[in-house]
Amino acid sequence: DAGVIQSPRHEVTEMGQEVTLRCKPISGHDYLFWYRQTMMRGLELLIYFNNNVPIDDSGMPEDRFSAKMPNASFSTLKIQPSEPRDSAVYFCASSFGRDGQPQHFGDGTRLSIL
Amino acid sequence: QQQVKQSPQSLIVQKGGISIINCAYENTAFDYFPWYQQFPGKGPALLIAIRPDVSEKKEGRFTISFNKSAKQFSLHIMDSQPGDSATYFCAASRSQLIWGAGTKLIIKP
Repeated sequence: DAGVIQSPRHEVTEMGQEVTLRCKPISGHDYLFWYRQTMMRGLELLIYFNNNVPIDDSGMPEDRFSAKMPNASFSTLKIQPSEPRDSAVYFCASSFGRDGQPQHFGDGTRLSIL
Repeated sequence: QQQVKQSPQSLIVQKGGISIINCAYENTAFDYFPWYQQFPGKGPALLIAIRPDVSEKKEGRFTISFNKSAKQFSLHIMDSQPGDSATYFCAASRSQLIWGAGTKLIIKP
């Protein structure tokens, strides 16, 4: 079975541009999580969805960040406008259930904002 | 009270040695304690997990030791191999997963 698929793997863009990160969760999983990983702050949960509905977006750093899940097999994380401090590795993860269930991570998108 | 404190930040162990990573928590409501392993360029992957009703869980060379009264748990890697070189994260949850800061483990051949 395919794992969580993220695209693109790498993104380099200039400050002020819109960035869209994409995620395809594992089929049948009902939870989807977006994380950001940096050396300074480690792994940060940005937002998570249950059955395509956003449940907790308290980790989204500011209004420049938005996430959608239009169906069970696709989610996007958008940054508009992007800033250099948004440079990080962004991970998508999915799970079947939440409490006590393993989260399956994609390989991430390495984002560099110049 | 939601924090999970992980130590050390980095660790170098000789091949064949025992690697030990420690984590501490405050929230006694946590009921699930997983360890994740992350290789460069990859996302974290679940390695082993424990519930607080047992004091130890072993899977191959990997063991979690859990001390409920001290609110601490640790990962032991026996006979450490160069292929174990990775970043290890502990975590704890009741509902939301709270992550430790990670430990970069290097196994020297």
